[in-house]
Order: sequence, then structure tokens, then C-alpha cells
Amino acid sequence: ETGVTQTPRHLVMGMTNKKSLKCEQHLGHNAMYWYKQSAKKPLELMFVYNFKEQTENNSVPSRFSPECPNSSHLFLHLHTLQPEDSALYLCASSPPTGELGELFFGSGTQLSVL
Amino acid sequence: GIQVEQSPPDLILQEGANSTLRCNFSDSVNNLQWFHQNPWGQLINLFYIPSGTKQNGRLSATTVATERYSLLYISSSQTTDSGVYFCAVKKLESGYSTLTFGKGTMLLVSP
Repeated sequence: ETGVTQTPRHLVMGMTNKKSLKCEQHLGHNAMYWYKQSAKKPLELMFVYNFKEQTENNSVPSRFSPECPNSSHLFLHLHTLQPEDSALYLCASSPPTGELGELFFGSGTQLSVL
Repeated sequence: GIQVEQSPPDLILQEGANSTLRCNFSDSVNNLQWFHQNPWGQLINLFYIPSGTKQNGRLSATTVATERYSLLYISSSQTTDSGVYFCAVKKLESGYSTLTFGKGTMLLVSP
């Protein structure tokens, strides 16, 4: 257990569905991230939140909508996804000081879009 | 942006063997991490090592920042070491930790 919890672990959805991924960190960190991991590709940064403020949107399509209500919680709202969006979605957090942003990851949500 | 190259892409070992994984990066960095992704997808922090050498049990890592590479050593490998090993770096002055990941080395340790 790394202190970063993601739910659900697995999700199957149709292209017309709306679903949300949840991430919670218990490490007292101030920055939270969404990464996407597709087969045979490096991890891709999607969004960064620092002190609840979105500080980076890495050209992510609008069908992915992040929400960060506080420094401990992060959501990724999904709607009208495409089959190519099927991937492992990883949440991470990093501390405000000390290790210059050492990242700690959750276990991920394996998403399949039918 | 910064480029991260890992080698080898795949590695098969007999249990008990030693191995060295390499990470090359194209620019100066102030953050380098090694991760192990287990078969269930969990990314486990192995080392935070922007420079120098660290050891943790059978694993050790060395980063030579001036020459832009890092090495991960696995000694007396075990089947539980199987998985994908990722190197990730953050370029100097890029603010909070937007790490760039390599494509990983897939390791299979057979009994």
C-alpha cells in the first residue's frame, strides 16, 4: 500500500456512458497527477493539480474532465470515450518539499471502452 | 522535450542471476526515479536518485548526472523481480514533478 488509493480497479464502459475514476492520497502531499498508460507506450502525463489548482493539461481531449476538490482527492470524469481510450489510468501524488517532487503512484484503474 | 531511453527493452534471467538496466536521458535533470511495475499494474518506487549511488537490499542504483545516465543493478534475481522497470526524469527548472518516463525494461525471471 503506497498511500495512494484508486477506485475502481477495473472499469468496462460503453462509448455513451459517463463514469468517474477516483483517487485519494493519505500522504499529506499537495500535488496530484493523472497519467495514462497504453500498451507498448510510455506513461503519458494527462493533468497536474498543485494545491487544488490545475497547472497542466497535456493536450488531453475534453471527453476527459478532471476535478480536484481538495489536496487529498482527485477525480477523472469520463464521457463519450472511444475504444482507443482503453488503458491503465494511474493517479500519483508528490510532496510539497524535500525530494523535489518524488512521485508515489496508486494501483491504477484498468479501463476498457467497448 | 527531454528524451529518456531505456535498455534493454526485454530481459530474461534465470533465478539467481545478476543484471544491469540502463537509462539514458538527453538533458540535465534534477529528479530521477526508478520504478518497478508489477504484473497487477502497481508502480512501486525503487529509488529517488538524481545523482550518486544508493542501495536497498539486492537492488542498487547509480546516476552519473554529468554523463546523463543511470544504472539499476539487480543481484541474485528472484521470480518476484519480474515486471517492468521504468526510469523517469524531470528536467531542471520545470517546476513541480512532471516526470518524463522511458518505455521501460520488461524483466522475466524464471525459476
